[in-house]
Amino acid sequence: KQEVTQIPAALSVPEGENLVLNCSFTDSAIYNLQWFRQDPGKGLTSLLLIQSSQREQTSGRLNASLDKSSGRSTLYIAASQPGDSATYLCAVEDFNKFYFGSGTKLNVKP
Amino acid sequence: ETGVTQTPRHLVMGMTNKKSLKCEQHLGHNAMYWYKQSAKKPLELMFVYNFKEQTENNSVPSRFSPECPNSSHLFLHLHTLQPEDSALYLCASSQEKGGDYSGNTIYFGEGSWLTVV
Repeated sequence: KQEVTQIPAALSVPEGENLVLNCSFTDSAIYNLQWFRQDPGKGLTSLLLIQSSQREQTSGRLNASLDKSSGRSTLYIAASQPGDSATYLCAVEDFNKFYFGSGTKLNVKP
Repeated sequence: ETGVTQTPRHLVMGMTNKKSLKCEQHLGHNAMYWYKQSAKKPLELMFVYNFKEQTENNSVPSRFSPECPNSSHLFLHLHTLQPEDSALYLCASSQEKGGDYSGNTIYFGEGSWLTVV
């Protein structure tokens, strides 16, 4: 069974810092990897989707990379802002089944 | 209407009550999901429906009973729940594909906060 791990579980940084969130998965036979953001008490909002044939995707200040062979992905956030404070989850897809990590809770201090 | 709508947003129920959570998707998708999110635990997949047929039941206790009358609506009927069932219940949808499969993406609702007292 696919297992997804996210490190660190929580992260607190001052505003303006660049930061990296990590995601690892045990089975490299995936179709894609997706990063989500979850605000307190809310649902998940998709940030980036990386197909298994791709190495990275970028959206604004966010850059996600995927190394399928080693079972790892990183989400890079540039010039962090207080509005980035949220929980970030990664999920891998294995033919219409989605497996999630526990998330990294990010706090960006003004 | 936003993509996936869940009602109610908050629900408090006693252990002997019967209540239902409702989910509606406006994306034209053919697959719908129920996930449970408890504090500090990964999202737990509960049920998957594809074209109204249940394709996955992830060993969920029978006090949770799903219903999918059509590909746009999904319900989760609740009865005789336990306090440990208190959690955020998330509904999601996706467009399941076959054939030359190249991956899929999943869309979530805002969730229903359930408290069992």
